[in-house]
Amino acid sequence: QKEVEQDPGPLSVPEGAIVSLNCTYSNSAFQYFMWYRQYSRKGPELLMYTYSSGNKEDGRFTAQVDKSSKYISLFIRDSQPSDSATYLCAMDSSYKLIFGSGTRLLVRP
Amino acid sequence: EADIYQTPRYLVIGTGKKITLECSQTMGHDKMYWYQQDPGMELHLIHYSYGVNSTEKGDLSSESTVSRIRTEHFPLTLESARPSHTSQYLCASSRAGDYGYTFGSGTRLTVV
Repeated sequence: QKEVEQDPGPLSVPEGAIVSLNCTYSNSAFQYFMWYRQYSRKGPELLMYTYSSGNKEDGRFTAQVDKSSKYISLFIRDSQPSDSATYLCAMDSSYKLIFGSGTRLLVRP
Repeated sequence: EADIYQTPRYLVIGTGKKITLECSQTMGHDKMYWYQQDPGMELHLIHYSYGVNSTEKGDLSSESTVSRIRTEHFPLTLESARPSHTSQYLCASSRAGDYGYTFGSGTRLTVV
C-alpha cells in the first residue's frame, strides 16, 4: 500500500468552478503537508505549505488538513484555464518528501 | 524566474554511454535532491545531500552517482545508460529545516 494516495483524474471542470483536490495518507507521523502544481514539461512548483491540522488560505487557494482522518484537501475558487495542471500533494518523512502521484486538472474556458 | 537550473532539458542517448545531468541553484540552499518521475507516477527520491561533501542514496534503487563539491552544484552521473533509465529527472533544493522544495524544470532522458 502506498503511503500517500491521490486520485489521478483527470478532473475536468468549467471555468469559475470550485475545485476540490484530495489526498489520503497512512503515516500518522506526518506533520508538514504541501501542495505542488506542475505544468506540462516543467518541475513542480510549491503552492501551499501547512503544518499539522487546520486551514490555510492564499488568494483563491485553501489548503485543509484533517490529521484525525489522515486526509488533506486543496480547494481552488473561481478556477481559471491557467489552473490546468497536475497537482501533487506531498508530506514530510524524516529526510525527504513523499509525493502523491498527482491529480490532473483541466479547467475548460 | 528559475533559481535552480537543470541542463540539458532533453537528452537522447545510446545504451552504454556515460552521461551527467547538471543541476545548479543560486539560492544558497544547503539541501539538494534528485527525484525520478515517470508519467502518472509519484516522484521517487534517488539521491540527496545535506551540504558540501554530503551525499546519500534515496529510496529508489539507482545505478547513478552524485557529488556535492560546491554548495550550488549537484550533478548526477550515469556511468552506463540503459533503456530502463529512460525517465524525467528532477533536481530540487531547500533550506535546512524547510520542506518547501524549489524544483528545476527537469531533464527528460531517453536511452535508446
